[in-house]
Amino acid sequence: DSGVTQTPKHLITATGQRVTLRCSPRSGDLSVYWYQQSLDQGLQFLIHYYNGEERAKGNILERFSAQQFPDLHSELNLSSLELGDSALYFCASSVRWGLADTQYFGPGTRLTVL
Amino acid sequence: GNSVTQMEGPVTLSEEAFLTINCTYTATGYPSLFWYVQYPGEGLQLLLKATKADDKGSNKGFEATYRKETTSFHLEKGSVQVSDSAVYFCALSTSNAGNNRKLIWGLGTSLAVNP
Repeated sequence: DSGVTQTPKHLITATGQRVTLRCSPRSGDLSVYWYQQSLDQGLQFLIHYYNGEERAKGNILERFSAQQFPDLHSELNLSSLELGDSALYFCASSVRWGLADTQYFGPGTRLTVL
Repeated sequence: GNSVTQMEGPVTLSEEAFLTINCTYTATGYPSLFWYVQYPGEGLQLLLKATKADDKGSNKGFEATYRKETTSFHLEKGSVQVSDSAVYFCALSTSNAGNNRKLIWGLGTSLAVNP
């Protein structure tokens, strides 16, 4: 158990809908990262927050947004969902954002868009 | 730009065989290098890391040495077990001009170990 929790574990929805994925980092970790993992594209970095502020953006679509709250939990919002958004979404946390910091991953949320 | 290239899988080995998964990288500056492992149905977890040239990371019988001259970080294990069956990801950690840290990931190598 990494100490990172993600809810829900599974999510099934229809095209055009909007969903929110939630992540609680390990106690004491200030950084939260979001990743998308799909069979055809591998592991894609989406976005990084540190202590409530956005620090880096990766391959995140404009239909997707995220935020980190004062209690350090984070939410990833996916809107106007398309079939291709079906994937595993992982959240990870680290103490700070140093180059050598280990990222601790949650168990993931499996999103299925029908 | 920064990138990580891993050998393609799947890799299939018999128990007690020697394992090598190749990983090479391109990066500016002095990145840290990582191997993460993803067991079936689980999230990724850190296997080992190295933060400077010639460092050797090791854990659970796995080893990898940070080779700056060959820009490589190959993962090795002398005797694999069935329980090592998983997907292995090589990654490098670097920062951009705004000093924002970013992890660059390889595509992952699937390993299946048969009894």
